[in-house]
Amino acid sequence: AQSVSQHNHHVILSEAASLELGCNYSYGGTVNLFWYVQYPGQHLQLLLKYFSGDPLVKGIKGFEAEFIKSKFSFNLRKPSVQWSDTAEYFCAVNTRGNEKLTFGTGTRLTIIP
Amino acid sequence: GAVVSQHPSRVICKSGTSVKIECRSLDFQATTMFWYRQFPKQSLMLMATSNEGSKATYEQGVEKDKFLINHASLTLSTLTVTSAHPEDSSFYICSVSTGPAYEQYFGPGTRLTVT
Repeated sequence: AQSVSQHNHHVILSEAASLELGCNYSYGGTVNLFWYVQYPGQHLQLLLKYFSGDPLVKGIKGFEAEFIKSKFSFNLRKPSVQWSDTAEYFCAVNTRGNEKLTFGTGTRLTIIP
Repeated sequence: GAVVSQHPSRVICKSGTSVKIECRSLDFQATTMFWYRQFPKQSLMLMATSNEGSKATYEQGVEKDKFLINHASLTLSTLTVTSAHPEDSSFYICSVSTGPAYEQYFGPGTRLTVT
């Protein structure tokens, strides 16, 4: 079975700082990769996904992520964060032909104005 | 993406009673829906996969007789927590999957408190 690791449990940044949140997965086959965001009091929203093609994917709100197959990684990045990016971020993976998602433990991001 | 609603958003019940939570796919016909549980400041734990017109598939360790799932139509799945106990208090979230990557779209969740 696949698993997902998010090593950063809580990240605190000042506005305008650059962001990179780590995500590593373990699975030897073909995967689909996702980043979800959960703003305080709101439901999970899809930020971006990797399905195939260009390993650098761009999502909503200026976020991007890069799939590095050799490193089993799918790190989330944003060049300049805003206070409104304060949220919980979850990396998730499923495998081709399998709808079930496996989530990482999440990273809490706090942006200081 | 798909739009998913849940009802109720919050429910408080007494120990020993049963509670039903509804999950609706508002703009998408979902043959498959998922039910998750989320503990405070933790990740989502998949409880079961709800299949329209057939029995749900439960994850290991999830009691199927306690968490009854019915997926009677392409737009509605229900989760009934039977004989609820305080340890069942949690945030329950449903989702539908769509697209070539089977990305999932989530409902707003239901906060269950068992007293």
